[in-house]
Amino acid sequence: DQQVKQNSPSLSVQEGRISILNCDYTNSMFDYFLWYKKYPAEGPTFLISISSIKDKNEDGRFTVFLNKSAKHLSLHIVPSQPGDSAVYFCAASRDYKYIFGTGTRLKVLA
Amino acid sequence: DAGVIQSPRHEVTEMGQEVTLRCKPISGHNSLFWYRQTMMRGLELLIYFNNNVPIDDSGMPEDRFSAKMPNASFSTLKIQPSEPRDSAVYFCASSLSAGTDYGYTFGSGTRLTVV
Repeated sequence: DQQVKQNSPSLSVQEGRISILNCDYTNSMFDYFLWYKKYPAEGPTFLISISSIKDKNEDGRFTVFLNKSAKHLSLHIVPSQPGDSAVYFCAASRDYKYIFGTGTRLKVLA
Repeated sequence: DAGVIQSPRHEVTEMGQEVTLRCKPISGHNSLFWYRQTMMRGLELLIYFNNNVPIDDSGMPEDRFSAKMPNASFSTLKIQPSEPRDSAVYFCASSLSAGTDYGYTFGSGTRLTVV
């Protein structure tokens, strides 16, 4: 039973445009959400997070939105750059355990 | 700091053989996690250690999998006997605390292929 779902396995976006990556979760007890970015042959690296008491968190070109009623979060990258091409994992947590989604491969076209 | 160090980077083994994956967490981190990445299931938590003690091993797939953390600077994940369906990338991660305010730092992973 996949508690965290990323339904789009891949996404292609033109350089300079907005990239929107989506994530859905099923457990309303999750209280912390994160996005990780992964390049080939490297481990995932932390990108941005949001607490369940907020609905938006921004860090430079990256913004995470949380819609608790819909159990949905999204990552917006504006403007997208070729270096953003990677696999993006969303994760949800309660206590110590992070539950990850299956990832979305983003390709930013130059 | 060198980050979380995993070895080997790649491992190819024959079905039935024992495989041992190694991890050195970041110094001072007291939480250590083993994850497995597959296309179908993404990143799955296998086991979590806090202060060298296994706290949650509910993600360990079968008795063929075992993990140890003999001290704060070293952990192993062993598969015996290995099977082709164990082929995946195995990640080790460490954290200052198991609380959710602290992100995990992942190692570069071990790509395991069982033929």
